[in-house]
Amino acid sequence: KAGVTQTPRYLIKTRGQQVTLSCSPISGHRSVSWYQQTPGQGLQFLFEYFSETQRNKGNFPGRFSGRQFSNSRSEMNVSTLELGDSALYLCASSLTRGETYEQYFGPGTRLTVT
Amino acid sequence: GNSVTQMEGPVTLSEEAFLTINCTYTATGYPSLFWYVQYPGEGLQLLLKATKADDKGSNKGFEATYRKETTSFHLEKGSVQVSDSAVYFCALIREGGATNKLIFGTGTLLAVQP
Repeated sequence: KAGVTQTPRYLIKTRGQQVTLSCSPISGHRSVSWYQQTPGQGLQFLFEYFSETQRNKGNFPGRFSGRQFSNSRSEMNVSTLELGDSALYLCASSLTRGETYEQYFGPGTRLTVT
Repeated sequence: GNSVTQMEGPVTLSEEAFLTINCTYTATGYPSLFWYVQYPGEGLQLLLKATKADDKGSNKGFEATYRKETTSFHLEKGSVQVSDSAVYFCALIREGGATNKLIFGTGTLLAVQP
């Protein structure tokens, strides 16, 4: 069974640009969550999607947005990039919601903003 | 609010040494507790979990016991190997919600020397 895939793996953008990251969950998984990982702030929750609806949102500015498609694939978008957005963005998929269900993480997208 | 506190790293050990990584949490009720591991250049992998007080999670020689009275979930391994070198994250999911939102500690880097 294929794992969680994230594309692209690496990305370099300039301040002020926008970026879209993609996450394909494990087949059959309906829940996708996104996290930002930085050396200073650690792992912080961005959003959680289930059945194409955002179910939970972390404490990030409105420049960070996401969506989920009917095939459970998810994208996140960051507009007007800032230097501080440089991070590893991880997505995780699980069968459904709830702590009983294991979350599987992708390898991440490394975003560098210059 | 809910939070997780981990011991500062890095932790440097010789092969076959005993490992303890401390983790304490703040949460209402009975959250589910997790240990994730991140190898260089990879996403996170679930190492073990416990969903109620006094539960012991175990996997690959690692163990952690959910202690409600001390709000702790310390990770232990009797004999570490060089291949255990990685960053270890303690995390929780709050009790009772149908949510996948993980709240992570800051991570502890483990370096095992031959």
